[in-house]
Order: sequence, then structure tokens, then C-alpha cells
Amino acid sequence: QKEVEQDPGPLSVPEGAIVSLNCTYSNSAFQYFMWYRQYSRKGPELLMYTYSSGNKEDGRFTAQVDKSSKYISLFIRDSQPSDSATYLCAMRGNSGYSTLTFGKGTMLLVSP
Amino acid sequence: NAGVMQNPRHLVRRRGQEARLRCSPMKGHSHVYWYRQLPEEGLKFMVYLQKENIIDESGMPKERFSAEFPKEGPSILRIQQVVRGDSAAYFCASSSQGSEAFFGQGTRLTVV
Repeated sequence: QKEVEQDPGPLSVPEGAIVSLNCTYSNSAFQYFMWYRQYSRKGPELLMYTYSSGNKEDGRFTAQVDKSSKYISLFIRDSQPSDSATYLCAMRGNSGYSTLTFGKGTMLLVSP
Repeated sequence: NAGVMQNPRHLVRRRGQEARLRCSPMKGHSHVYWYRQLPEEGLKFMVYLQKENIIDESGMPKERFSAEFPKEGPSILRIQQVVRGDSAAYFCASSSQGSEAFFGQGTRLTVV
């Protein structure tokens, strides 16, 4: 079992739809959870950064963490064609010297 | 405030040559991480460095690959005697201790 599982997609939605992206993980030591957006041939861009369980909202983006189920989600409201990209979940432990473990990424396509 | 700077953006090397990839972290960051990304693959951790120290090199191939982060200057990822299988995008990220990591735009290495 991989440490972090993420459906590669592609996930195709019409403009304006609510998008749900998810990751599951197996390592209970993970405490910090991140979502990155990566456009083609660009570097990953940090979208959301959360600690432990709960919700965090930033504009059209909401991140949810359920540590009891080892399941994290990213919701995108009112999706736009410019949201078309690959979304990577990442997580790390509590140590100040822990590294990020990434999912493989989900490709999202938002059609006008 | 400049972000993480990587250069060159594109690098072409013949088999057997050396490749040197440079990464200047964000201002105030003393932690640097190197990741490799193959097409359709996620980001694979290679090495984690703090100024003048290697913290974690568990993802580095045992041969031909090395990394440094000197007291002055950028972090360098060095690949000796490159082979076709080294062709990939190499991303650098930086952070302050225990905080979120920000990525550069990557160096795309092509071995011909």
C-alpha cells in the first residue's frame, strides 16, 4: 500500500461546478496537510496548508482533514477554466525536520 | 520578495556528462528540498538539506547523485555521468523550519 493514494483522473467538470478532490493515507504520524496546484510545465503552487483535523477555507477553496479516517479533501466552488491543472496533496509529520510525501496528483479539467 | 529560483530552466546533456542544477531558496529560508518528477508521476523526494548539512538523503540514488547547500550561495544538485533515465523535471523547495514549503519552477533535464 502506497503511503499516499490519489486518483489520477482526469476529472472533467463544467464551469461553475463544485469539485471534490481527495487523498487517503496510511501513516498516522502525518500531522500537516497541504494542497498544491501545478500547471503544465510549471512548479507546484501552495494552495492550502492545514494542521491536524478540521476545515480551512480560503476564497473558493476549502480543505478538510479527517485524521480518524486518514482522508483529506479539497473542495473548489464555482470552478473556472483557469482551475484546470493537476492538484497534488502532500503531508508530513510533526517533526521540524520531516519531509513532504506527495500523492501522484489529480488532473482537473474545467470546460467553459 | 523573490520566490524560489532555479536555474537553468532547461538543461540538455549528452550521456556521460555532468549536470549541475542550482536552487536559491526564498529569503529567510534555510531548508531546501529536492524532488524529481517523471511524466505522469508524482513528486519523489530526493534530499533535504539545511545550510551546510544533509538532513535526509533517503531518496537519493546511491551513485552519481550528490547535493550540497553551502553557507554562501545556492544549493546544488549534481548528477555525474548522466544516463537517459535521469531525464526528468527536478524541483527545489524551500522553507523555514517546520513551516510550509514553496517550490521553484523546476529544471527540466534532457539527456540525449
